[in-house]
Amino acid sequence: DAGITQSPRHKVTETGTPVTLRCHQTENHRYMYWYRQDPGHGLRLIHYSYGVKDTDKGEVSDGYSVSRSKTEDFLLTLESATSSQTSVYFCAIRNANTRLSSYEQYFGPGTRLTVT
Amino acid sequence: AQTVTQSQPEMSVQEAETVTLSCTYDTSESNYYLFWYKQPPSRQMILVIRQEAYKQQNATENRFSVNFQKAAKSFSLKISDSQLGDTAMYFCAFMKGSGAGSYQLTFGKGTKLSVIP
Repeated sequence: DAGITQSPRHKVTETGTPVTLRCHQTENHRYMYWYRQDPGHGLRLIHYSYGVKDTDKGEVSDGYSVSRSKTEDFLLTLESATSSQTSVYFCAIRNANTRLSSYEQYFGPGTRLTVT
Repeated sequence: AQTVTQSQPEMSVQEAETVTLSCTYDTSESNYYLFWYKQPPSRQMILVIRQEAYKQQNATENRFSVNFQKAAKSFSLKISDSQLGDTAMYFCAFMKGSGAGSYQLTFGKGTKLSVIP
């Protein structure tokens, strides 16, 4: 258990509405990631953060923005949700606090988002 | 860009038997890591095993072991003494260890494994 929680765990929203997903971690990890999981695609990286206020784009960043104002929270925002953003969203942390396994990523429980 | 291919969308195995899941990857990098993640019906992503590319010795974790063939760019997962709790989606993943895009995971599309009683 890497101390990662995601909220909400499920959400249904309408096309065109803004949505914010929250990832919270309790172990002071510097690196955090947002992925989406779709059938037939595995997981794909949306955005990541390498510190407070330091973020960068991943493979599928269009239509998403992120913010990290505190070490423990990494927010993913869909400014105007579309049906193509219906997916399961996972947050992950990279455990860079230990020398032996600083490259491993551990995942939160996921958020299922449905855009109608 | 790196690609990860899992050629077996679905597999099944009898309880207590051994099964091997295939994974190939394409990269020009020399410094990288490979992983297998398990996703049971609960949807939680669980790290099963990892392999550093610079290590020749294959990684093992209890009933899970890998066959890492660096020249062939192959990274298969062997599950011994399969248990009902092994029923899950299994994802192979690649990670660069240095340079632009490092420490980001690239996943395969997954293999759905069913363990039959």
